[in-house]
Amino acid sequence: AQKITQTQPGMFVQEKEAVTLDCTYDTSDPSYGLFWYKQPSSGEMIFLIYQGSYDQQNATEGRYSLNFQKARKSANLVISASQLGDSAMYFCAMMGENRDDKIIFGKGTRLHILP
Amino acid sequence: DVKVTQSSRYLVKRTGEKVFLECVQDMDHENMFWYRQDPGLGLRLIYFSYDVKMKEKGDIPEGYSVSREKKERFSLILESASTNQTSMYLCASRAGVLGDNEQFFGPGTRLTVL
Repeated sequence: AQKITQTQPGMFVQEKEAVTLDCTYDTSDPSYGLFWYKQPSSGEMIFLIYQGSYDQQNATEGRYSLNFQKARKSANLVISASQLGDSAMYFCAMMGENRDDKIIFGKGTRLHILP
Repeated sequence: DVKVTQSSRYLVKRTGEKVFLECVQDMDHENMFWYRQDPGLGLRLIYFSYDVKMKEKGDIPEGYSVSREKKERFSLILESASTNQTSMYLCASRAGVLGDNEQFFGPGTRLTVL
């Protein structure tokens, strides 16, 4: 069975600092995908970044990067130069290798950016 | 612009009522999902469907059923609502194509059962 663990229920970070949100996972699938989503107070789920398990390089999208360490089964999200608008709930998620696979989510980390 | 819509943002129902939550997507996606979100528990999968008239149980299907008569519409049904089903319900869809992995979410329905 697949499992996602986010150990940080909440974090407070000063504006402009870099942030690392932790995520570890467990799966027996040889091929899988890892995601991060952002949920601001408005409630919508915003896709941030995707990493395939066989991708050679860590994924990056603007200020977001995914620090993928396959042997350690970790997929941490790094936000560079944090902004007040980054305050939100962040979810790590994964899916298996099949096109019909479900995506499972961690419990989330609430990030607060301080001015 | 891709879109997943849900029939209501807020809904208040009484215990024992039958509740329908509707979700429609306009992206011709094969896969559709219903999650509930509760504080401290993240998103938990209730049911999903990878084709019309097909459904699969997620992690917490008890007390729920679903219907997918058309590709674009996926309905979540609470046969007899209970107070422990008070929650935020999120619908999502995804293309059933390898490599096209982004899952799109609706705005959510906050259901309160009194």
